[in-house]
Amino acid sequence: QSALIQPASVSGSPRQSITISCTGTRNDIVAYNYVSWYQQHPGKAPKLIIFDVRNRPSGVSDRFSGSKSGNTASLTISGLQAEDEADYYCASYTKSDTRVFGTGTTVTVL
Amino acid sequence: QVRLVESGGGVVQPGRSLRLACAASGFEFYTYAMHWVRQAPGKGLEWVAHMSLDGSNIDYADSVKGRFTVSRDNSKYILFLQINSLRPGDTAVYYCVRESLGNVFFDFWGQGTLVTV
Repeated sequence: QSALIQPASVSGSPRQSITISCTGTRNDIVAYNYVSWYQQHPGKAPKLIIFDVRNRPSGVSDRFSGSKSGNTASLTISGLQAEDEADYYCASYTKSDTRVFGTGTTVTVL
Repeated sequence: QVRLVESGGGVVQPGRSLRLACAASGFEFYTYAMHWVRQAPGKGLEWVAHMSLDGSNIDYADSVKGRFTVSRDNSKYILFLQINSLRPGDTAVYYCVRESLGNVFFDFWGQGTLVTV
């Protein structure tokens, strides 16, 4: 049950696009299209922003998009805004019927 | 509206036990699988445990297997987490999390309860 691997930090200027990667194994990301992404602001509970690789819940901005290729899932934030500054976590369902989170990425808006 | 309210956290000595509770409201609790997720101070999220809607299927992270026990009372809309033999490494905010109906992602999180060992 090793954590999925994410970059520790990603930064970008307002209106730019950034991409956060999430690398797993054949037991999780490769095996299923069940990658989800969560946004967490300081002191707050995480919030779902992407599910099943590329789907957005109602109310989540379309500036957030997800994709997957092989053992790596990605979250792209387009038109970066100050309010996007937060921690982001990927998660996946696993072959063991458990769940695993990514190591987390801090997004900084310059 | 959907609410998940955790309780039971606090400061506890190593080796002691603690039982966390999560009171659910605003949805049909007995139709949802539920999870516990924890976050150590300044660290990332760690999935801890899962219980199916009727309690027939339970899974634990390897790091807590044998010490943590998840249970639920569907008549009272409460999810529990029994933590035994507490270690300093168990210090974290413990979140009660709902799994989306028929899916495998987390669609609603409580605000968490802090356990300090």
